[in-house]
Amino acid sequence: DAGVIQSPRHEVTEMGQEVTLRCKPISGHNSLFWYRQTMMRGLELLIYFNNNVPIDDSGMPEDRFSAKMPNASFSTLKIQPSEPRDSAVYFCASSGRQIPNTGELFFGEGSRLTVL
Amino acid sequence: DAKTTQPTSMDCAEGRAANLPCNHSTISGNEYVYWYRQIHSQGPQYIIHGLKNNETNEMASLIITEDRKSSTLILPHATLRDTAVYYCIVSLRGSTLGRLYFGRGTQLTVWP
Repeated sequence: DAGVIQSPRHEVTEMGQEVTLRCKPISGHNSLFWYRQTMMRGLELLIYFNNNVPIDDSGMPEDRFSAKMPNASFSTLKIQPSEPRDSAVYFCASSGRQIPNTGELFFGEGSRLTVL
Repeated sequence: DAKTTQPTSMDCAEGRAANLPCNHSTISGNEYVYWYRQIHSQGPQYIIHGLKNNETNEMASLIITEDRKSSTLILPHATLRDTAVYYCIVSLRGSTLGRLYFGRGTQLTVWP
């Protein structure tokens, strides 16, 4: 299995531009998580999906952030418009366990976003 | 809201056992203890988890106290590649099932 695949690995953009981060979870996994990591705040959960349905998006910082999961093999995290404070490493993770069990999370390599 | 307390940093000599402590005094009866680690610039990696009993796998051992208020992750023979941030996490219940909250973790440095 290729593991969780994220793209792009690195993104540099200017303030105000739209950014789209992509994630392909491990085949057969039914839970998908988006995390953000910064030096100041550490690793934060933004949103998670179960069976393609958003279960909890309380970690999404504001309306500029949106996430979708149109099918079991693809998810996007979009920032529009982007701001310098959005600069961070964004991780996607997937899990094969059904809720209510918290199963092992498999993380991708992350997308490093720099907003100038 | 990590619900766990870990030392900020620890170090260990290569080849020796690394014992990483974690306090989780408010853990509930059905909550699990998970350990992950994050090597620099990589995504976090699952190590082990447990509920009540001690657990062992090819990576590490997890010792959970009888009252479940603390645990210790043991890397029996630490190598330089074990240098990483180690996160102790308690799973959440109710409407937040399925999420893992990462705190600041412990930076383990293994020196030659």
